[in-house]
This record gives sequence, C-alpha cells and structure tokens, in this order.
Amino acid sequence: TQLLEQSPQFLSIQEGENLTVYCNSSSVFSSLQWYRQEPGEGPVLLVTVVTGGEVKKLKRLTFQFGDARKDSSLHITAAQPGDTGLYLCAGASTSYGKLTFGQGTILTVHP
Amino acid sequence: SAVISQKPSRDICQRGTSLTIQCQVDSQVTMMFWYRQQPGQSLTLIATANQGSEATYESGFVIDKFPISRPNLTFSTLTVSNMSPEDSSIYLCSGREGEETQYFGPGTRLLVL
Repeated sequence: TQLLEQSPQFLSIQEGENLTVYCNSSSVFSSLQWYRQEPGEGPVLLVTVVTGGEVKKLKRLTFQFGDARKDSSLHITAAQPGDTGLYLCAGASTSYGKLTFGQGTILTVHP
Repeated sequence: SAVISQKPSRDICQRGTSLTIQCQVDSQVTMMFWYRQQPGQSLTLIATANQGSEATYESGFVIDKFPISRPNLTFSTLTVSNMSPEDSSIYLCSGREGEETQYFGPGTRLLVL
C-alpha cells in the first residue's frame, strides 16, 4: 500500500507570510495532484505535475515535483486570508491508477 | 475541465433508511470514483464505478452497504443502505479525465440520526 505523508497537518499564519507544505513517500508516483478545499465545497484541483523535477507556478503558488517523483511541495508566497482552506496532495502510482491522498493540511491565514 | 454536480447537496436521514446520491458529469470521463470524507480530514476511496459492470470496492466497503451504478460515461449513483449514525459523512463523486487529471463534485453532506 502506497503512503503519502503530508506535513504539517495544521498551519496558522499571518497575512503576508510565506509557507510550504510537503508531501513525501517512499514510492514513485506517475503523477501528483494538489487540491484546495473550502468548507462546504468539494476539492478543487490546483495543479497536476507529472515530470520529475517539474516546477509549476500559479500566481503566488509554486508547486514542485521531486526529481525521483517521490515527493512534492507547495509553496505560497505572501499568503492572504483567501488562501485559507484544506490543502490535499494526491499521487497516482500508474496512469489511470487510483489516487493516494495525503492527510491534508489545514491552513488558516489571519488578516 | 469536467464539471461535476451531485444531488442532494445535503440530507438528514433516520437510521435504518437508505439514501441514493446522484453524480452527473458534464463530459465523458474515463473513470468515476466515490469517496468519503470527515470534515477537515482527508479522503477515503469507497469504490471505482465501472460502466455497465459491478463497481470495484476498496477494503472495508461492500456492495450490500454501498451499491453503486454507472449506466453510462457521465452518470453514477451511490446508495448508502441501512444507515447508522456512523455513516454520517461527506460523500464525494469524482471523475478522471484522461490519464491523471481528476475532478471532484461539491459533495453530499449526510447526517444520520
């Protein structure tokens, strides 16, 4: 069974601060996806990374896929209260494979 | 990107009854899944909905408790049968577009009294 360790579990910061969320595994993933979920809503896909070493940027969010495709990180620059939510990473071991989810990171950004 | 809708969005049910949740995708997807989630926590896969055949269930989930249908490429239902308070949760439908990209519906919030 593949495991995806996500950390930290909780993050409470002030507006304007930077933060990084990590997802680590001993297994190789063919792709990894990051989602953000707000209360009362379903997870919304932020990005999919498929190539080892890949870096994708989405405004103030930077996503990185490790060279060995075993880990990934999400970095948020100058966090805003609107970034508050549950962040989930999810990896697929093969194309068309089931997603393995991390435990999630609850981010709270205080104004 | 695929847009996924679910009905009902929430419900309060009595123990012993059953509830069927509908999932509609606005485009054909290769795979459809059903997940369960407690608020603020990660997702647990219940089963993969297979078109025209029996769903593939994960460990701990059985067809008698969670019967699933998928009559075509854009629609699926999940029934939560003989409900107990322990079934109170958020149930999420998901569709896979292509090899990797997977989208989620808004969820159905179920409370069993």
